[in-house]
Amino acid sequence: EVQLLESGGGLVQPGGSLRLSCAPSGFTFSTYAVTWVRQAPGKGLEWVSTISGSGGSTYFADSVKGRFTISRDNSKNTLFLQMNSLRAEDTAVYYCAKTTADLAFDIWGQGTMVTVSS
Amino acid sequence: QSALTQPASVSGSPGQSITISCTETSSDVGTYNLVSWYQQHPGKAPKLMIYDVSKRPSGVSNRFSGSKSGNTASLTISGLQAEDESDYYCCSYAGSSTWVFGGGTKLTVL
Repeated sequence: EVQLLESGGGLVQPGGSLRLSCAPSGFTFSTYAVTWVRQAPGKGLEWVSTISGSGGSTYFADSVKGRFTISRDNSKNTLFLQMNSLRAEDTAVYYCAKTTADLAFDIWGQGTMVTVSS
Repeated sequence: QSALTQPASVSGSPGQSITISCTETSSDVGTYNLVSWYQQHPGKAPKLMIYDVSKRPSGVSNRFSGSKSGNTASLTISGLQAEDESDYYCCSYAGSSTWVFGGGTKLTVL
């Protein structure tokens, strides 16, 4: 079964850091770009970041640029999102999603909750 | 501020058809015909329902269809069923490996 499993969420103080992980299964991980999408409580979906299959290219939403880093270890089938200088407005469920060649998100993880609060 | 505008809510009775619109307000977004639609039930992850404006992934009911005219994409659900009650989001590729989502539409089945 093709699936993604996120981990690493939790409660962090403003200005703090957190690293999220996403573990895929059921498909050749290195073949696909992968994307992080977040959803603040009661709000809509927001694209956060995308990384190419090789890891050589990364892209960020303006709201997180300079604070978040996306990376992947294809040898260990793992995707990461390093989040620094966290703000209250970063509070959200973070989903990782497999990105198709048609630039859609066809497989989603169950999400991991990040809460930024003092 | 989202570059894709969706109605906050739509409703319909079982068996009816409904259409959710998604209007592109940014010229950058409108350059690409790469619109996708996602269904999200409360507390669940989004599910891809339509990609490339009108293509359906394997396993998605043919009651779901997508189209685009000018700067407005649409998701139509025919033969409305109780399990279709959900939030629906449009998404468009915006160039330079960036994406934008619409604000979401809550579908109520009466």
